[in-house]
Amino acid sequence: EAEVAQSPRYKITEKSQAVAFWCDPISGHATLYWYRQILGQGPELLVQFQDESVVDDSQLPKDRFSAERLKGVDSTLKIQPAELGDSAMYLCASSLERETTDTQYFGPGTRLTVL
Amino acid sequence: SQKIEQNSEALNIQEGKTATLTCNYTNYSPAYLQWYRQDPGRGPVFLLLIRENEKEKRKERLKVTFDTTLKQSLFHITASQPADSATYLCALWDSGTYKYIFGTGTRLKVLA
Repeated sequence: EAEVAQSPRYKITEKSQAVAFWCDPISGHATLYWYRQILGQGPELLVQFQDESVVDDSQLPKDRFSAERLKGVDSTLKIQPAELGDSAMYLCASSLERETTDTQYFGPGTRLTVL
Repeated sequence: SQKIEQNSEALNIQEGKTATLTCNYTNYSPAYLQWYRQDPGRGPVFLLLIRENEKEKRKERLKVTFDTTLKQSLFHITASQPADSATYLCALWDSGTYKYIFGTGTRLKVLA
């Protein structure tokens, strides 16, 4: 069964450093999501792509976070500079389209620790 | 303000019993509501979707209800097993922002 791939699985960095996360969605899925999940909370949407276009980045801290999906396939989320409060699980998900009934398939996540 | 509330405390139940988890919401009018399962250190896995005009949805040992008057969804696992131990998240469709909003989840532990 096809899965969403993410790397790295774990990342430890010091504050003020730059970090990058990669996501490869299920083949054929047009919609890609990046979520942040703080321990004990639910996932919070950071950015949503439809093909290569950003359709929602209202919760993305744009002063330090950036995301791209250049060819409408895989995607990278970057944080520069990282802050202590960025420690969280970063989840990537994909769905066929941006429909209300489309299932979101999540990857295993990247656990970020900022020291 | 808008809120989604799930029991923050863990729910412990005995194997074989029915587990019932609650998702309450305020100041939303979701047309769709989803339930996910999340194991520690893993991404959520989709379980069920229920529409506002559906009162109940079933899948194997799982049952979801959706009461738009009470602004509540209930998630039931019948004949629970230790393997059902996980965190269960509800997510509701926010037509204002055109995205699903997740609750904080309820941790379920099924005791053998």
